[in-house]
Amino acid sequence: SQQGEEDPQALSIQEGENATMNCSYKTSINNLQWYRQNSGRGLVHLILIRSNEREKHSGRLRVTLDTSKKSSSLLITASRAADTASYFCATGNAGNNRKLIWGLGTSLAVNP
Amino acid sequence: DAGVTQSPTHLIKTRGQQVTLRCSPISGHKSVSWYQQVLGQGPQFIFQYYEKEERGRGNFPDRFSARQFPNYSSELNVNALLLGDSALYLCASSSTYNAGNTEAFFGQGTRLTVV
Repeated sequence: SQQGEEDPQALSIQEGENATMNCSYKTSINNLQWYRQNSGRGLVHLILIRSNEREKHSGRLRVTLDTSKKSSSLLITASRAADTASYFCATGNAGNNRKLIWGLGTSLAVNP
Repeated sequence: DAGVTQSPTHLIKTRGQQVTLRCSPISGHKSVSWYQQVLGQGPQFIFQYYEKEERGRGNFPDRFSARQFPNYSSELNVNALLLGDSALYLCASSSTYNAGNTEAFFGQGTRLTVV
């Protein structure tokens, strides 16, 4: 079963613009992670935010977490064509630490 | 250092056949997890192995099985293949027992097509 729902499902922007993707989840979590996937191949970890954190930055990435709303957002600033990929959120749940539960992903297209 | 390696990269099988997929984790990682990703969806958890024992199992039929070897590499076996088994199979290694609490490192996946 899917845990999260990413919103929007697809996003198309111009280079230099910011891209914001949202993720909602259903259960109590220990952490929420964002991953990137190029062309249906392996997933690359971007950032992990723990349930007691509200915001985290990594380079051009900014992630927020609102546990009261069970939601997270990923902001990519000053986007580049190379950022074109699918982005997934995944949660590590409080009740089961053995796995990550994934959303359906947001497909981002950055046009040069 | 080598990342997570999976083999083969692509595979075409006929319905009813059996398939074995292989994964080598990052050196030093004792946890290996397997995920199935159907086109257009997020990954679905199949198994987690840690120290050669199954530690977690997802909602998949018994046709799916796996094992982990003393060198921490792992195999995923699927018997009696169905068309619906066509997917990208991803292997992830992590450094801790609680694979859901830490960053996962993924291989490039095995694209399985069942015809």
